[in-house]
Amino acid sequence: DTAVSQTPKYLVTQMGNDKSIKCEQNLGHDTMYWYKQDSKKFLKIMFSYNNKELIINETVPNRFSPKSPDKAHLNLHINSLELGDSAVYFCASSQPNRGYTEAFFGQGTRLTVV
Amino acid sequence: SQQGEEDPQALSIQEGENATMNCSYKTSINNLQWYRQNSGRGLVHLILIRSNEREKHSGRLRVTLDTSKKSSSLLITASRAADTASYFCATAPLTGYSTLTFGKGTMLLVSP
Repeated sequence: DTAVSQTPKYLVTQMGNDKSIKCEQNLGHDTMYWYKQDSKKFLKIMFSYNNKELIINETVPNRFSPKSPDKAHLNLHINSLELGDSAVYFCASSQPNRGYTEAFFGQGTRLTVV
Repeated sequence: SQQGEEDPQALSIQEGENATMNCSYKTSINNLQWYRQNSGRGLVHLILIRSNEREKHSGRLRVTLDTSKKSSSLLITASRAADTASYFCATAPLTGYSTLTFGKGTMLLVSP
């Protein structure tokens, strides 16, 4: 059983398109995240949701809109894709109020904008 | 903003040797964690050390934490080719929601 699963694994699309990445976790965690990993492997937090509510929104263009229909799902919708959006996007979850903050990551979605 | 800085950026060793990676951070933390990322895969949690701990072991891994110097080290003993991966340190803040802040990572290559 995959703890954190995200789809698709690969996404190639043209500039200006709108695309979505889906994420689901079956760990019962309250908190979910989206991270972006650039070509130099630097991981940067984009969004953090706790029990379906947005708690962290780092400096991310408003073309990126996360949606959490329930605490097990956190999807990422991206409008008007740009070349600079090409990266690997990781979904993760954790349970901070259990006294530790180990995060479980999905396999990543490699987004290529052409 | 970036919190952890790993050192070195890349490390190449032979199987059986030990590998040491260092991490420095800037602000007070609740805990520090190390993750491994194999090529094309997600990150996998390796070990967590709390701010009141100085050393922790897990199998062939040894982590140290020096909060006065805001630094940590990860030692992998008797390395294997399968340890080839990128290793990241991540810090959890002292207060508030525990969003991890990652460093840039150390790429470890273990040659047979």
